[in-house]
Amino acid sequence: DGGITQSPKYLFRKEGQNVTLSCEQNLNHDAMYWYRQDPGQGLRLIYYSQIVNDFQKGDIAEGYSVSREKKESFPLTVTSAQKNPTAFYLCASSIVLVSSYNEQFFGPGTRLTVL
Amino acid sequence: AQTVTQSQPEMSVQEAETVTLSCTYDTSENNYYLFWYKQPPSRQMILVIRQEAYKQQNATENRFSVNFQKAAKSFSLKISDSQLGDTAMYFCAFTNNNDMRFGAGTRLTVKP
Repeated sequence: DGGITQSPKYLFRKEGQNVTLSCEQNLNHDAMYWYRQDPGQGLRLIYYSQIVNDFQKGDIAEGYSVSREKKESFPLTVTSAQKNPTAFYLCASSIVLVSSYNEQFFGPGTRLTVL
Repeated sequence: AQTVTQSQPEMSVQEAETVTLSCTYDTSENNYYLFWYKQPPSRQMILVIRQEAYKQQNATENRFSVNFQKAAKSFSLKISDSQLGDTAMYFCAFTNNNDMRFGAGTRLTVKP
């Protein structure tokens, strides 16, 4: 089955620790995205990558870092610099077309709780 | 910068009835795409319907249809014959293929 997997589903971390969220896709999509979802708010873009070894900051990149060493993988690290990291994190991917829309397909998400 | 506004935080509808969710957006672009996503309690984001801005005809997917008013920058979602499984958060989204912007969402409850 093609799709996007995120692991783990629930993640707990102590304050001051870095933590890495996994995102893998086997859809052969070029672009991948990380979003943060807080209660009462829509999804906010953290980082995105349209090609291997390249990525761009989104609206709320501070306190986060990413890498894109492989096409199918786009891990997100939540660093200790992120002031309020408790949230639901969603990963997405899409093909990259100039002439049409790039529908994003979403993973099941990871709920991060900082204790 | 593009913004997407959903002015209805919560709505409810009786099973089998029709409900309309509102969405407005702001952009200076002429070519873009609009989406409605559904997020059920499982929190998996599911694409409900899409609309290309250059198409005047409103998109329809079974019980779901949109009312796209480009001049007014409005993109409402109509759900006909509501079913219990339609209970979810609904997000309106905009993209010009550079990034995607989401509204804050509308929590829809379908009552039996």
